[in-house]
Amino acid sequence: DQQVKQNSPSLSVQEGRISILNCDYTNSMFDYFLWYKKYPAEGPTFLISISSIKDKNEDGRFTVFLNKSAKHLSLHIVPSQPGDSAVYFCAASAILSAGNMLTFGGGTRLMVKP
Amino acid sequence: NAGVMQNPRHLVRRRGQEARLRCSPMKGHSHVYWYRQLPEEGLKFMVYLQKENIIDESGMPKERFSAEFPKEGPSILRIQQVVRGDSAAYFCASSPLGSKETQYFGPGTRLLVL
Repeated sequence: DQQVKQNSPSLSVQEGRISILNCDYTNSMFDYFLWYKKYPAEGPTFLISISSIKDKNEDGRFTVFLNKSAKHLSLHIVPSQPGDSAVYFCAASAILSAGNMLTFGGGTRLMVKP
Repeated sequence: NAGVMQNPRHLVRRRGQEARLRCSPMKGHSHVYWYRQLPEEGLKFMVYLQKENIIDESGMPKERFSAEFPKEGPSILRIQQVVRGDSAAYFCASSPLGSKETQYFGPGTRLLVL
């Protein structure tokens, strides 16, 4: 039972354009959401997070949007750069989890073409 | 400030041997999480530990796997009598306080079972 889903395994975008990565979740107890970026042979690197009390959080070129009624979040990268090419994971944690264990989606591979 | 350290980075074991994976959290972090990533999948939570305590091991297989985080020294994930299906990347993450704090990941240990 996948509680966090990233339905697009890959996304290709031209440099300078917007990248939009999507994530859906099913567990209504999730209240904190994060995006991680991962390069091959490295660990995930934290990008940006959002609490369920907000619907938007922005940090430089990265913005995360949360639509609680649709149980959907998205990560926008503007403008996209070739160095953004990586696998992006969304993750969520639940209100009642003992210690903030994260549930991850399957990842979306972003390729930004020069 | 050093990040999360994991060693070894790569580990090759034959079926039936034991694998020991080590994780040193970031300075000031007392919460450690272990995740496993199978090929082409997202990360799956295994276990959450604080110093000398296992808080949540709901994601850990019941047999052959164990984890500890002693008062002194790194956290250890131990896999006894490894099988080919244990081949995966094992990531450790740490956070300062646990609840709703961002987790920072190490580079991972890639275990290959021959």
